[in-house]
Amino acid sequence: GIQVEQSPPDLILQEGANSTLRCNFSDSVNNLQWFHQNPWGQLINLFYIPSGTKQNGRLSATTVATERYSLLYISSSQTTDSGVYFCAVVNYGGSQGNLIFGKGTKLSVKP
Amino acid sequence: GAVVSQHPSWVICKSGTSVKIECRSLDFQATTMFWYRQFPKQSLMLMATSNEGSKATYEQGVEKDKFLINHASLTLSTLTVTSAHPEDSSFYICSPGGNEQFFGPGTRLTVL
Repeated sequence: GIQVEQSPPDLILQEGANSTLRCNFSDSVNNLQWFHQNPWGQLINLFYIPSGTKQNGRLSATTVATERYSLLYISSSQTTDSGVYFCAVVNYGGSQGNLIFGKGTKLSVKP
Repeated sequence: GAVVSQHPSWVICKSGTSVKIECRSLDFQATTMFWYRQFPKQSLMLMATSNEGSKATYEQGVEKDKFLINHASLTLSTLTVTSAHPEDSSFYICSPGGNEQFFGPGTRLTVL
């Protein structure tokens, strides 16, 4: 099945710094989403981005489907950005339409 | 996006008891519901897919007799963990699928 790899696995930032999280996937995808998992476990939708670029406030994401990667940019990070960021994809050729998750990037933003 | 609720949010039970988790799609008719499981410090893994009016399908390694799934209506899917053991302690979370997929708030199960 499709493999989803995220890097880095851990990231520690000082408040105000910028960061880039990467997601590589091993096959073509029909859907790609970025999530932020808060300390209570809730998965918060950040972007639905099978291709192209989107921006939402301090966050933006780019997916280059032909090269099989996606990037999540966080600018001017805040302590509330801390948590785990997941990239997840759907590959209809190999699944029932469920999301396949990467292992996540754990972000810690220090004041 | 789809609004999904889960109940309970957390549950602590004794080994050997059964626990039922409800997942409701509040504004979306869900013919399919995906159930995921997340062990501590790990990622989310699909464990089963429930289908309205038909049998659920289970991922490899997931015991269908232990994790009973019922999808009796387009708005409700339930997961029952039968004879729970400490190794079943995990975070269970559901999603009705779709193009952009949304998740319930999850249920944290602790089996003593």
